[in-house]
Amino acid sequence: GENVEQHPSTLSVQEGDSAVIKCTYSDSASNYFPWYKQELGKGPQLIIDIRSNVGEKKDQRIAVTLNKTAKHFSLHITETQPEDSAVYFCAAPNYGQNFVFGPGTRLSVLP
Amino acid sequence: GAGVSQSPRYKVAKRGQDVALRCDPISGHVSLFWYQQALGQGPEFLTYFQNEAQLDKSGLPSDRFFAERPEGSVSTLKIQRTQQEDSAVYLCASSFGTSPSSYNEQFFGPGTRLTVL
Repeated sequence: GENVEQHPSTLSVQEGDSAVIKCTYSDSASNYFPWYKQELGKGPQLIIDIRSNVGEKKDQRIAVTLNKTAKHFSLHITETQPEDSAVYFCAAPNYGQNFVFGPGTRLSVLP
Repeated sequence: GAGVSQSPRYKVAKRGQDVALRCDPISGHVSLFWYQQALGQGPEFLTYFQNEAQLDKSGLPSDRFFAERPEGSVSTLKIQRTQQEDSAVYLCASSFGTSPSSYNEQFFGPGTRLTVL
């Protein structure tokens, strides 16, 4: 099945700086890649997603890039704010039947 | 509108007890998923329903785990004879579409934290 790796496992940035989280996947047929944000005591919430027919998608301070050849996709957060502190998960389809999630990145934005 | 709700939010069970975890998906959502999230890990797929049909249960770790969605809305995850390794957060998610991963956003509930002593 699909295998998803995510790096780094923890990331600390100063408020206002940018943060980048990278994920790799194994199944070249995967065609949809969501990113989730999980705050303490809550379920994951979708923040942005990308389909395989585009290389980049942006939504205000958040962007996702996809490199199908290298089988990796990245989350970019610019002008980070304290409320961006959370655990972020990437995911990829597992033979189109369900999602495989990465192990997560704990982002801390320091004021 | 109301999101996905789960109950109870916290459950403590003694080893060997049976537990039942409930999920109320968003009204009208066809698809429903259960995930297990161990501490410090990402969610791991357990099972998937399309309406009342359980189409994929490949992620259930043992035959002690059982899930149902008899009327195509509320779902229950049951764990029999709980063991310490069952301790985790159990997440439920629902989506409007019928294809699990084709561009259909999954909306997650807050989870049920199960602790087995």
